[in-house]
Amino acid sequence: AQKVTQAQTEISVVEKEDVTLDCVYETRDTTYYLFWYKQPPSGELVFLIRRNSFDEQNEISGRYSWNFQKSTSSFNFTITASQVVDSAVYFCALSEAAPGGNEKLTFGTGTRLTIIP
Amino acid sequence: KAGVTQTPRYLIKTRGQQVTLSCSPISGHRSVSWYQQTPGQGLQFLFEYFSETQRNKGNFPGRFSGRQFSNSRSEMNVSTLELGDSALYLCASSHGRANYGYTFGSGTRLTVV
Repeated sequence: AQKVTQAQTEISVVEKEDVTLDCVYETRDTTYYLFWYKQPPSGELVFLIRRNSFDEQNEISGRYSWNFQKSTSSFNFTITASQVVDSAVYFCALSEAAPGGNEKLTFGTGTRLTIIP
Repeated sequence: KAGVTQTPRYLIKTRGQQVTLSCSPISGHRSVSWYQQTPGQGLQFLFEYFSETQRNKGNFPGRFSGRQFSNSRSEMNVSTLELGDSALYLCASSHGRANYGYTFGSGTRLTVV
């Protein structure tokens, strides 16, 4: 069975500091997808990134960057120069791709990030 | 284009009642998945519908059911509500494969009293 672990329950940093959110996953499949979502107080899950298991290239999008390492089954998320608007709960998720399309997202427990002005 | 629309946004029901939640996916998406989010259990998969057929089901009792219409809109129903059913119910819209990603709605917050 697949599993996603976000060991950091809550993180608080002062504005403009860099912060890394950790995500470790378990799966038996060779083909899978990893996701990061942001959940602001409004409740909606906002998509941040999708990465497939064959693409270990790190990605940078503005102040956001992601480090995918299959060797350690980790998909960590770094926010550079954090801002108050980054305060939210962040979820890492794993989806296994099946030929029949029977897929679902398995979520981690989330990391509540608070940026202190 | 319009996002994923979930109605109602908030709902208060009494224990023992039943409730129906609605989700309208992004135009062109044929897959709708439902998730339950609670403080204790986190985000858990309920079921997924694709082209009016349930393709995948999570580990929830039979009181939780769903359906999908020909226009891809989906409803989920919870019968004989229990206090523990209080949660944020989120639906996700997709083309049907993980490689296309999932877009979530704002959710329906259900409170059972």
